[in-house]
Amino acid sequence: QQQVKQSPQSLIVQKGGISIINCAYENTAFDYFPWYQQFPGKGPALLIAIRPDVSEKKEGRFTISFNKSAKQFSLHIMDSQPGDSATYFCAALGGRRALTFGSGTRLQVQP
Amino acid sequence: GAGVSQSPSNKVTEKGKDVELRCDPISGHTALYWYRQSLGQGLEFLIYFQGNSAPDKSGLPSDRFSAERTGGSVSTLTIQRTQQEDSAVYLCASSPLLSRGASTDTQYFGPGTRLTVL
Repeated sequence: QQQVKQSPQSLIVQKGGISIINCAYENTAFDYFPWYQQFPGKGPALLIAIRPDVSEKKEGRFTISFNKSAKQFSLHIMDSQPGDSATYFCAALGGRRALTFGSGTRLQVQP
Repeated sequence: GAGVSQSPSNKVTEKGKDVELRCDPISGHTALYWYRQSLGQGLEFLIYFQGNSAPDKSGLPSDRFSAERTGGSVSTLTIQRTQQEDSAVYLCASSPLLSRGASTDTQYFGPGTRLTVL
């Protein structure tokens, strides 16, 4: 019930392309869904987050799409840049205050 | 202001030794979390402190792990009799917890302490 499933495990995108990472959850008590970006040797940094009362949230080149009925959400990175190369984690929170993380996606944007 | 800080950044220890990891949360943040990041297990919750409430210890993997938070600020995670499987990056996060009962608090992470148990 606490698991968040993330795919793909790794992703290679050309500069300027769209990166898409998907997550799915089972626990309907989750009501906050953040995405974190992590560079090697650094802690995760909040990128963007969404609540289930909206279906989409956009901040600059980053968009979260949320499908409550399917219990799925995804991160879209538009105009991907080499500087976006990092590991991305989806997460979920609700009830218990601890974040439940997906397994991570290593994104590589080729110049 | 300053972000979450953790020390040491790296710790190498021998199996069986005790280690202490320190976390300084963002000033004014009432909630503090410890997570562990390892290759095999991803990011796992360990323990959560919120104000003067009893901590949520449900993520601690064994009784060798303990944590305390003094004065509602600095926290120390202690691992006794370390084992090789304890090798991981230990991450601390804090959040302002805007209102009691809300579950939309943003968690801000520190850089982590990389623990290697030989």
